[in-house]
Parts: sequence; C-alpha cells; structure tokens
Amino acid sequence: AQKVTQAQTEISVVEKEDVTLDCVYETRDTTYYLFWYKQPPSGELVFLIRRNSFDEQNEISGRYSWNFQKSTSSFNFTITASQVVDSAVYFCALSEASGGGADGLTFGKGTHLIIQP
Amino acid sequence: KAGVTQTPRYLIKTRGQQVTLSCSPISGHRSVSWYQQTPGQGLQFLFEYFSETQRNKGNFPGRFSGRQFSNSRSEMNVSTLELGDSALYLCASKRQGTGNTEAFFGQGTRLTVV
Repeated sequence: AQKVTQAQTEISVVEKEDVTLDCVYETRDTTYYLFWYKQPPSGELVFLIRRNSFDEQNEISGRYSWNFQKSTSSFNFTITASQVVDSAVYFCALSEASGGGADGLTFGKGTHLIIQP
Repeated sequence: KAGVTQTPRYLIKTRGQQVTLSCSPISGHRSVSWYQQTPGQGLQFLFEYFSETQRNKGNFPGRFSGRQFSNSRSEMNVSTLELGDSALYLCASKRQGTGNTEAFFGQGTRLTVV
C-alpha cells in the first residue's frame, strides 16, 4: 500500500529565511503522481504542484521550488526568502496510476510552517 | 470561474442523528472526491464519484455514503453520528477521473458531533 511521510510536524523560521519541507513516499507502482498542497487557516487545500513519476526535472515557480528524487523516494519543497503569508500547513500527497484516479490521494500528516516576522 | 463550493460551512449535530453535506464542483469537472480531516488521523479518503458512479471507497463504515447527480454535484451522508465523526469534511473536484489530474478543494464543512 502507498504511504507518504512528512517527518517534520512543525517548522518555525524567521521571515526571509529559506525553508525546506521534506516528503518521503512509498509505492509499488512504477507510474505515480506526487502533489503538494497548502492549507491556510481558512481550511481549503490549495494546489501547488503535480509531478509525474517519469519526470524527474526539478521545478521552480517564483520563491517555490521542488526537488524530486526517485532514488530516495523523496519530493521536497523549498520556499526561498519566506514570508509571513507562507504560514500554513503543507501537505504532500501521492496518487497511483493503477488506481485509475479512483483511489483518491494518499496524504502525509502535513507540516505546519510558521513564519515569524 | 467559481471554485468548489461546500455547504454548509459549519454544522453541529447530536449523537445518533444523521447529516447530509453538499458539494458543487468546478464547472466542467466530472470527478468528485470526499475526504475526512481530523487531528489524529489526518486527511483520509472517503469515496470518489465519476459520472454518477462511485468508483471507490476508503476504509470507512457503511454509515458513510454518498451520491453524485447528473450535474456532477455530490452529497455525502453520515447516519447514526458518533462523537468520532467530528471532523472537517473536504470535497475535491477534478476535470478528469485520472490520477494525474490535480484536485481542487472546497473550504470544507466542519462537523461537530455533541
């Protein structure tokens, strides 16, 4: 069965520091999809990125970057020059291709990121 | 374009009652999934609907059920409520039913069972 582990329960940094959120996954599928979501206090999960298992290119979007390494089954998320508005709970999630999309997302427990001014 | 809309936002129910939650997906999206979020268990998959058919269900008792209508709107029902059902229930919609399609979530319904 698939599993997503986010070992960091809570991270607190001062504004403008860089911070990396770790995500390690387990799956038996050779084709799978990884996601990151942000959950602000309002509750909804905001989609940040999707990465396919066959695409190991890292991605950068503004202050956000993602490092996908199949060799270590990791999909880490880095925020550069953090801002107070980045404070939220961040979830890493996995979807296996064998489920055909019907199995839903398997989420990690989330990392609560606190950016102090 | 309107996002995923969930109603009501907050509910307080008594043990033993039943409750129905509603979800309106993004226009054009045919897949709707439901998740339960609790501090202890985190985010857990409840079920997924595509074109009015339930394709899969997570590890939840039969008290949890749902349906999807022809306009893709979905409802989930919980009967004989227990204290442990208190949670944030999130609905997500996807344009396609495939695993590589990103899901967009509503703000959730916070259910409190007393």
